[in-house]
Amino acid sequence: EVQLVESGGGLVQPGGSLRLSCAASEFTFSIYEMNWVRQAPGKGLEWISYITTSDSTIYYADSVKGRFTISRDNAKNLLYLQMNSLRAEDTAVYYCAREKRVRGLITTTFFDYWGQGALVTVSS
Amino acid sequence: DIQLTQSPSFLSASVGDRVTITCRASQGISSHLAWYQQKPGKAPKLLIYAASTLQSGVPSRFSGSGSGTGFTLTISSLQPEDFATYYCQQVNSYPRTFGQGTKLEIK
Repeated sequence: EVQLVESGGGLVQPGGSLRLSCAASEFTFSIYEMNWVRQAPGKGLEWISYITTSDSTIYYADSVKGRFTISRDNAKNLLYLQMNSLRAEDTAVYYCAREKRVRGLITTTFFDYWGQGALVTVSS
Repeated sequence: DIQLTQSPSFLSASVGDRVTITCRASQGISSHLAWYQQKPGKAPKLLIYAASTLQSGVPSRFSGSGSGTGFTLTISSLQPEDFATYYCQQVNSYPRTFGQGTKLEIK
């Protein structure tokens, strides 16, 4: 069974840094694009970052651009999110999500597997 | 950025009811839309992709339709386990965006 397990969450002061990891197992991690999605307490889902298989293309939401960095280590089956200059509004559960691309009448993608989430709390 | 607007934001229904949730995109996205179900304290679960393709293992009472700017998610006969929050997501362009969610509650 495909598994994605996030770790590295916790309590951090405003302005601080944290690195989240997402450990992938039971699938060939290196051939899948990956994403980070977050959810503030009681709020909806917010996509925040995407990375291609070889990290040749990376995208960020405006809300985290310049502060967060996505990366991956295909040899270790790990996805990362380095979060710097954290703000109270970054408090959320952070999910990693596998992106699957399908080619048919149209080529499209979707997030077919998600981790259980890691809680990041930014507070003094 | 493409904005997605779901309606209604809250929906109260009974077991056995047929319910429909609407998702409208601020610009055309062809069929590049997915639907997810989320229960409290859990990760989202993929229900439908490409606007109308049912993900493997998802019950056939769930269906999706639409293209361009208007999409719907229909549950033909609500079951107790379907009470959850539902999100649409566009995968036409970056940033990927989600609708604000529709919370489906038991009447």
